Amino acid sequence: SQQGEEDPQALSIQEGENATMNCSYKTSINNLQWYRQNSGRGLVHLILIRSNEREKHSGRLRVTLDTSKKSSSLLITASRAADTASYFCATATRYNQGGKLIFGQGTELSVKP
Amino acid sequence: DTAVSQTPKYLVTQMGNDKSIKCEQNLGHDTMYWYKQDSKKFLKIMFSYNNKELIINETVPNRFSPKSPDKAHLNLHINSLELGDSAVYFCASSHGGRDQPQHFGDGTRLSIL
Repeated sequence: SQQGEEDPQALSIQEGENATMNCSYKTSINNLQWYRQNSGRGLVHLILIRSNEREKHSGRLRVTLDTSKKSSSLLITASRAADTASYFCATATRYNQGGKLIFGQGTELSVKP
Repeated sequence: DTAVSQTPKYLVTQMGNDKSIKCEQNLGHDTMYWYKQDSKKFLKIMFSYNNKELIINETVPNRFSPKSPDKAHLNLHINSLELGDSAVYFCASSHGGRDQPQHFGDGTRLSIL
């Protein structure tokens, strides 16, 4: 079954507001990654957080990881219209081989100017 | 310069035909992947190659055959196309290992008539 589930499925906000997306997973992980997908394009890697980390920042992005709850959140601060995209979490499980990632269903973010 | 490039971008064909999708990466990565994204944007790994060796082969029908002539190329050949094969197929690459971000191409949208 699917490893990651994301919440909400869709989110609509005004420019300047913060956007928070959540991801839950089921098995032990080595790391969790967040990706962005613009319409008609491939996925772009945003940030990777390892299982022994609790929080990570990159520019306007803040990711948290709670391994006891098997969940992660992605916060985008001061959103811009250009942030409109689908956002996916992906997990690399502890025992998997190679670089296998298991993706969630994604959150569609719409940022209105 | 495009990092991961796929051709063609669009592929429209009839049921029963055989088709190929090509992928090339110029990032010097040693691991390449094929993913399938369905109409609900669910992304699932199909295959992974490391240094031309198959390391991940998910439960994909054997009508799908990947081929890696060298580390920079991973092609996907599909025999006897079926309606259910309609999807967007993404190629990706990374340095080997679980804690490496993956770089995606822009996808090939396959439509079966």
